[in-house]
Amino acid sequence: DQQVKQNSPSLSVQEGRISILNCDYTNSMFDYFLWYKKYPAEGPTFLISISSIKDKNEDGRFTVFLNKSAKHLSLHIVPSQPGDSAVYFCAATFKAAGNKLTFGGGTRVLVKP
Amino acid sequence: EPEVTQTPSHQVTQMGQEVILRCVPISNHLYFYWYRQILGQKVEFLVSFYNNEISEKSEIFDDQFSVERPDGSNFTLKIRSTKLEDSAMYFCASCLTGGVYEQYFGPGTRLTVT
Repeated sequence: DQQVKQNSPSLSVQEGRISILNCDYTNSMFDYFLWYKKYPAEGPTFLISISSIKDKNEDGRFTVFLNKSAKHLSLHIVPSQPGDSAVYFCAATFKAAGNKLTFGGGTRVLVKP
Repeated sequence: EPEVTQTPSHQVTQMGQEVILRCVPISNHLYFYWYRQILGQKVEFLVSFYNNEISEKSEIFDDQFSVERPDGSNFTLKIRSTKLEDSAMYFCASCLTGGVYEQYFGPGTRLTVT
């Protein structure tokens, strides 16, 4: 099942710089997208989401961009902080799916001090 | 801040044994989910539960799996006869309403089947 894909398994960035995480999807029925952060031995923590009627949503240091025509979304973290080091998952859903989330494989982010 | 809790944090069981994984969702949430993540793989949806019944289940969720909300607070996942391939992290999640998509996850139960 490759409906949601995160092609970069890992990303290393200097503290204070921008982290850009990418996610692609294939199912055109998806109409809501979410980013989760996960630390080891913890469950995924909701970060930010975006509806398909928007192309951008911002919350503090986190901004999600959606390009529906390209079936692509990205998460920008500015500025990156060492505490942002974690695995980030992209997830997608649509109402007829009963809100079940389809996850990407995750991108491990390391923010170097 | 309200959170989803799960017990136990780690369960070791022998193949063929029954296990029950427990979750306490956020108290005013109405939709409940189980997901699992096999080591090195994606987080996968298992089942969703609303109004005391299953609303959707994946092909993974076969007759060996069942869910229950035995009282007003707990939400359980039972695996009747565990297999080696059931070894995974199991995450419970809850959601406020059907119109809100953000699901809040518990810390997970690591199930090891030997």
